[in-house]
Formats: sequence, structure tokens, C-alpha cells
Amino acid sequence: DAGVIQSPRHEVTEMGQEVTLRCKPISGHDYLFWYRQTMMRGLELLIYFNNNVPIDDSGMPEDRFSAKMPNASFSTLKIQPSEPRDSAVYFCASSSRRAQGGQPQHFGDGTRLSIL
Amino acid sequence: AQSVTQPDIHITVSEGASLELRCNYSYGATPYLFWYVQSPGQGLQLLLKYFSGDTLVQGIKGFEAEFKRSQSSFNLRKPSVHWSDAAEYFCAVGAYDYKLSFGAGTTVTVRA
Repeated sequence: DAGVIQSPRHEVTEMGQEVTLRCKPISGHDYLFWYRQTMMRGLELLIYFNNNVPIDDSGMPEDRFSAKMPNASFSTLKIQPSEPRDSAVYFCASSSRRAQGGQPQHFGDGTRLSIL
Repeated sequence: AQSVTQPDIHITVSEGASLELRCNYSYGATPYLFWYVQSPGQGLQLLLKYFSGDTLVQGIKGFEAEFKRSQSSFNLRKPSVHWSDAAEYFCAVGAYDYKLSFGAGTTVTVRA
């Protein structure tokens, strides 16, 4: 089975530009999570969806960040305008309510974002 | 809200030696517990999980973990470490809302 697929793997852009990160969850999974990982703050949950509906976006740092899930197989995380402090690795993860064993989350390989 | 503490930021171990990584959690009910491993430039890979039953759980790559409710711990062990085990390890606790709370991670260095 294909795992969680994220694109792009690397993104370098200048401050003020719009950045869009993409995620394709594992087929059949009904939960999708966006995380940010930095050296200073570790892994932070930004937002998560259940059946394409945002459930908790309390981790989204600012209004510059937005996330959508238009269908069960695709989600985007957008930063507009981007700032250097947004530089981090962004992970997408998915899980299934029907999975046994506490619904473990399966992670993509991440997008390494650098804002110059 | 649930939380996880990994007391060791960095551990160095010789190849072939045993490894134990500590994890303490805080949660009011029976937790779902996980260990993940992250190699440089990669995502997090699930090593093992606990949600009920036998308190000693086996995972991939020869790892095991033991759930001790009385100590609120879920320590990860491997009897003999290989150089490829050098990575960062994260303990996580899950709750009814399907969110995971991660520890800060423990970096494992393996010396020859």
C-alpha cells in the first residue's frame, strides 16, 4: 500500500511569497493531521481533519496559515504571506478510526520549507 | 490534557549493547501509547503501540516496550543495538480525540 504522500519534499522561497504544501493520505483513512517540526519547539500539531472537516485548528500559529481538505484524498496547507520563522519541516499524517490498536498515525516524509 | 516526558535528550550506546529509552506519560484514563523512530530527512515510522492487553509489546526492528501503569511509563528496549538504529525516537500518547501528544524525542548515537 502507498503511504502518506507529501509534495514538494523541499521548498525554498522568499519572504512574502505564498507557499502551498500538499498531502495525499492513505486510502481509507478518515483522519488527517498537519504537524510542524522545529529544533526549538519539536513536533507541533497544527490542525486535524475528520472526514474532510477541520476538527481542531488551535495549533495554527497565525491567520497566515490555512488548511483545506476538499476531498478524502487531498489536503493542502497554505502560508500567505510566508516569513523566515515559518522555516521548518511540515509533516502530514493520517489514521483510521477503524484501525485496531489505538489508531496509530502514519506519517509522510515531510516537506522541508526554507523561507529566505 | 495528555502529555509525554522523555527525560533523556541524547543517549550514546555501543553497537551490540542494549538500549533503553525512557518515556513517562500523563493521562487520566487508559492511554494509547506509541513509539516512533525518525531517521535524518525522513518521516516518523511507527515502531510499536500499546492500547490494551499484554503490557509487553513487540515491535519492528527488534524493539519492545513495557507498559507500567503504576509508574506511568512506557520504556522502549532493544537487547542488541545495530549501527542502523542511530536515529531520533519519539514516545507519544493518544486520547479519545485521536490526537497524539509527542515527547521531545531522544537522539540515539551508536558508536562502533
